[in-house]
Amino acid sequence: GAGVSQSPRYKVTKRGQDVTLRCDPISSHATLYWYQQALGQGPEFLTYFNYEAQPDKSGLPSDRFSAERPEGSISTLTIQRTEQRDSAMYRCASSLALGTGELFFGEGSRLTVL
Amino acid sequence: DQQVKQNSPSLSVQEGRISILNCDYTNSMFDYFLWYKKYPAEGPTFLISISSIKDKNEDGRFTVFLNKSAKHLSLHIVPSQPGDSAVYFCAARQWGTGNQFYFGTGTSLTVIP
Repeated sequence: GAGVSQSPRYKVTKRGQDVTLRCDPISSHATLYWYQQALGQGPEFLTYFNYEAQPDKSGLPSDRFSAERPEGSISTLTIQRTEQRDSAMYRCASSLALGTGELFFGEGSRLTVL
Repeated sequence: DQQVKQNSPSLSVQEGRISILNCDYTNSMFDYFLWYKKYPAEGPTFLISISSIKDKNEDGRFTVFLNKSAKHLSLHIVPSQPGDSAVYFCAARQWGTGNQFYFGTGTSLTVIP
């Protein structure tokens, strides 16, 4: 696609429910990142993919968080048994290749856990 | 542990004057630095970058300066325009450690017409 697309834009869920967020990167981009951004803070790294490989998931805050990119294009971020502290903006970004500096961000998915 | 810091949460500048946004970092292994601009309800968009082998990079009205010894970078916008009003994030990367980008907390710039 022309830009990075994320869905849903807004998600409200009850504590304990599972949520899945989706990211459709720019079609030519090999590398895909997930970031978490709390209100008033900068984006914080969660994980990244190079094609379908996931070399680094050190930023995932707990084992309730997981991400996939099975065919090296669309990615999903799943949060199991959501907690109120998971409420944040989740941002996906892609870049042309590993090591290229510029990240292209989507508009984000705002998650609210009640 | 915040490795990239933007200590000014907000800045107001008169139209036509210079805007200077500052960023400090703690990791001397960072080799690449970027500035992103973010409008409300949009994702951050790339503005300008600089490699650690340089101390200045210029693109139109935007110039980024890097002082490696002070672990400090700054973004200069000259002349400032009302459309520059946005939140500006600086980011840094340490190559070879997982390709992570570390972001600051952002500075909200308001350019007053």
